Amino acid sequence: QVTLKESGPVLVKPTETLTLTCTVSGFSLNDAVMGVSWIRQPPGKALEWLAHIFSNDEKSYSPSLKSRLTISKDTSKSQVVLTMINVAHVDTATYFCARSDLSVAGLCFDSWGQGILVTVSS
Amino acid sequence: DIQMTQSPSTLSASVGDRVTITCRASQSVSPWLAWYQQKPGKAPKLIIYKASTLKSGVPSRFSGTGAGTEFTLTVSSLQPDDFATYYCQHYNTNFPTFGPGTKVDIK
Repeated sequence: QVTLKESGPVLVKPTETLTLTCTVSGFSLNDAVMGVSWIRQPPGKALEWLAHIFSNDEKSYSPSLKSRLTISKDTSKSQVVLTMINVAHVDTATYFCARSDLSVAGLCFDSWGQGILVTVSS
Repeated sequence: DIQMTQSPSTLSASVGDRVTITCRASQSVSPWLAWYQQKPGKAPKLIIYKASTLKSGVPSRFSGTGAGTEFTLTVSSLQPDDFATYYCQHYNTNFPTFGPGTKVDIK
């Protein structure tokens, strides 16, 4: 059974750095066809893709947020980490991690975590 | 960046209705188009990928068609469990983007 679970702070102050962790099970981050993305959703708004990490450690970022994001993984811990620097109120959102299986569906997302609501406020 | 639009933004329907949602891309994304269903407070669920391939376990009343820049999601006979928000997503590049969503609510 594939599961993903997000963890991290639920409240961060403006200008701080946000670090979120996605812990996965039921598949390996070393599997050549597996990758993990971070996607966010501000309250009442649409989904926004942020970043993706492939099994070979290749990374892809949203062009509009690239300067603020870093995605990495620790395969021994089955974890994918997203770091966002210099957060602002507009970064308040539910943050999801999600899996892609390139052998089946390409860079779309067949399994999702439950999400973590992060609020940016002083 | 490839921009995605959806119409309508809200759709009011009744159980048993045939419902169609349209998704348009600013350039061709064929066939790399996915559809998701999201209910309040929950993560999205993948229902269709590669424009028309139904994910395993998804009811056959859902179908996807389209090519190039225009795609549709159809629910042949709306069921109570189908009232939700639906998003399209292209993955023609390594920078996927989502549409703004279509909320299907009860008439």
